This record gives sequence, C-alpha cells and structure tokens, in this order.
Amino acid sequence: EPEVTQTPSHQVTQMGQEVILRCVPISNHLYFYWYRQILGQKVEFLVSFYNNEISEKSEIFDDQFSVERPDGSNFTLKIRSTKLEDSAMYFCASRPSGRRYEQYFGPGTRLTVT
Amino acid sequence: LAKTTQPISMDSYEGQEVNITCSHNNIATNDYITWYQQFPSQGPRFIIQGYKTKVTNEVASLFIPADRKSSTLSLPRVSLSDTAVYYCLVGDMNFGNEKLTFGTGTRLTIIP
Repeated sequence: EPEVTQTPSHQVTQMGQEVILRCVPISNHLYFYWYRQILGQKVEFLVSFYNNEISEKSEIFDDQFSVERPDGSNFTLKIRSTKLEDSAMYFCASRPSGRRYEQYFGPGTRLTVT
Repeated sequence: LAKTTQPISMDSYEGQEVNITCSHNNIATNDYITWYQQFPSQGPRFIIQGYKTKVTNEVASLFIPADRKSSTLSLPRVSLSDTAVYYCLVGDMNFGNEKLTFGTGTRLTIIP
C-alpha cells in the first residue's frame, strides 16, 4: 500500500537556525498539506498546496514558513529562523482528487528547537 | 464547519465492541462525517466517512441517524492495538476550506 514518507524522523536544531522538513507524498496525489502537533495538544493545520501554489494557510504559517515542491516527488516545509515554540511533530499529508476529507498522513518529523 | 462534541476518554476490555458517539447538532446539508484514528507518535489515519444511515468497511462501522445530529463509530472486537485517539470531523466535501480541523478527540484505552 502506498504511503507518505517523511525525513528526518527527528531533527534537533538551535534557535534561529533554518530547518527543512521533507516529505514524499503518494505518487498520484495532487493535494498536499502540512500540519503540526505540539506535544499533548491538537493537530493543527499549517498550509495546503495544489498546482504549485499555496491554496490556504493558517495564522501559524507566517513569513518564517515556506513550502516548495522542488521536483515531481518531494514536498518541503522550511522554517527560516526557528523558535523554541516551533518544537512539535510536523506531519505531511496528501490526498487524491475528489476526496477532500480523506487525507493520508506521514509518520511525522519531531522537531526539537533548543 | 460544524462543531463536534465527543467524550474525552473511554476504556474498554479486549474483545468488546466499542461505540464512540459524536454530537454535531449544527451539521449542514452538504456536510459529511469523517473519523480519523491517531496512534501515539504517529500521524492521523483516515478510518471511515459517511453521509447518512450506515457505512461499513474492514476497520469500523459508522452509524448516522436520520436527523444526522450525531454519529457513532463502532469498532468490533477491539484489541490492545486499537488504543488510540479517535477524531470526529464534520465538513463539506465539495466546497470550503481545504484543511482538516481536529478537536481533542476521544482517547480510547483498551484494557487486557
């Protein structure tokens, strides 16, 4: 069964550093998402991406965040200058056309900012 | 997006059938009901979706009464591996926001 993959599984970085989280969505999916979950809290939407552009973003997704699909398979989330409060699990998701509520999530990247 | 209410936690013994009910009193005509499951330290996983009456797949059943103001996720003969958080989501399948909005969910603990 095809699945979304994410790398790295765990990233430790110092405050102020840039990080790039990588995702490989399911190959025939066209819609891509990033969510995050701070330890013990809800899963929160960050951004959705379709046809090489952002279709929606949350208040959390400020100028420090960016997304890119650099080639036909990867989907990345960049945080330019990390803060302590960016520490969280970051989940990538993708979905096929026509099934808006059926999103397939990756295993997540645990980001720890020190 | 329709507001949903579900129990914070539930316990059940292995081998039992578990029913988790979600209330969504202000569900709109175009809204569908979707359930996700999340194991510790993993991403949410789509379980089942329905609009009315009953939907069944290899994992669960979803019961939706005629007024659609609530829904019940039914897990048959649970095992320890069903210990997870279960989320009820309600929204329009065709229009509106792309995002999934997760609440706090129901933390289901299966007891051996």
